[in-house]
Amino acid sequence: GQSLEQPSEVTAVEGAIVQINCTYQTSGFYGLSWYQQHDGGAPTFLSYNALDGLEETGRFSSFLSRSDSYGYLLLQELQMKDSASYFCASGGSQGNLIFGKGTKLSVKP
Amino acid sequence: DAGITQSPRHKVTETGTPVTLRCHQTENHRYMYWYRQDPGHGLRLIHYSYGVKDTDKGEVSDGYSVSRSKTEDFLLTLESATSSQTSVYFCAINGQGNNEQFFGPGTRLTVL
Repeated sequence: GQSLEQPSEVTAVEGAIVQINCTYQTSGFYGLSWYQQHDGGAPTFLSYNALDGLEETGRFSSFLSRSDSYGYLLLQELQMKDSASYFCASGGSQGNLIFGKGTKLSVKP
Repeated sequence: DAGITQSPRHKVTETGTPVTLRCHQTENHRYMYWYRQDPGHGLRLIHYSYGVKDTDKGEVSDGYSVSRSKTEDFLLTLESATSSQTSVYFCAINGQGNNEQFFGPGTRLTVL
């Protein structure tokens, strides 16, 4: 089976850097994805790591270590609008994703 | 805009009634997915489709069936709704890769 573990809540202040960790157990691994979801909205895709290392997209970066079954999402220069839930996900070759339960990020002024 | 819509957006129904949710895409994508989202559980895959008439089960498929007679439409049916199926249902299509998915706006279903 597959499971992904991430912290349930994280709090940070505006302008700071926050890291959201995700550890996974999978029977077959096709990479790690990250999604953002604001309250009442739909999840939106942020990033995908198929290989080890860091992927950077603006203020957001995502890291993967397959040997450690671990990844993280790094958010820099936090803004109030970054307050949302963040999900890591992994799955099979047909995109049949398993999601972590989500990390609720609260950004304080 | 990924061109994916869901209908209805909200529905209240009674236990034991059949319910069908529709997902419509305009992007001609091969893969489509149905998820449910509940507090404390995150998103869980119900069923997915990899082509017309080609579907497979996800991790929480019991009590649900799906059909895909056209590329653009993926239907989720609750044959006899139960209160445990009260949830928000999201449809998704794949983007550049199957791990990059675009989600519809969701359907909030309440079963009384």
